[in-house]
Amino acid sequence: GAGVSQSPSNKVTEKGKDVELRCDPISGHTALYWYRQRLGQGLEFLIYFQGNSAPDKSGLPSDRFSAERTGESVSTLTIQRTQQEDSAVYLCASSLAPGQTDTQYFGPGTRLTVL
Amino acid sequence: AQSVAQPEDQVNVAEGNPLTVKCTYSVSGNPYLFWYVQYPNRGLQFLLKYITGDNLVKGSYGFEAEFNKSQTSFHLKKPSALVSDSALYFCAVRDRGRGSTLGRLYFGRGTQLTVWP
Repeated sequence: GAGVSQSPSNKVTEKGKDVELRCDPISGHTALYWYRQRLGQGLEFLIYFQGNSAPDKSGLPSDRFSAERTGESVSTLTIQRTQQEDSAVYLCASSLAPGQTDTQYFGPGTRLTVL
Repeated sequence: AQSVAQPEDQVNVAEGNPLTVKCTYSVSGNPYLFWYVQYPNRGLQFLLKYITGDNLVKGSYGFEAEFNKSQTSFHLKKPSALVSDSALYFCAVRDRGRGSTLGRLYFGRGTQLTVWP
């Protein structure tokens, strides 16, 4: 079946502009995650959605970052007033259920470059 | 706090030789452990995970990993490396228990594996 999809695949923006990144999880997956991967670094957790529960936003690096999810479907990650240090690959993942044993399946990522 | 260490930034092996990519973790309690692989310009692909039971876990593409509780390690292994195994490998851990913060994975910095012909 279809995997996690993300759009756009690449985004180049100017410092100070707002950007929106989109994630379509695997159908039926109730949990959705956003991570950030900076060059040469591991993945950094940003936010986690699980069904109708309050999201875990503890990984968002600043109030310029926000994310929404409509039910158990699409999620958007918004970065306002982008800075050069926001340049990274933003990865979305989904898993079937909230259990900690569940495997997270990742999308191809959105490469964000802030000039 | 949870943390994952991959002590080697790079591992180089000849095709046909066994390979090991190391991972150690520091967590409270017994975590769930995962390995992912990332090919250039691609997202992460799941390889295998340890939940409970047999300490030797077998995964995709002939990879396996051994959970060692006393050494808090979860090294990735393959008996005979292929050139196509060349990629970036990430070890990750996840809390075992309950709570809203338990969804996240904690990742190591990654190990670049190069298999030369």
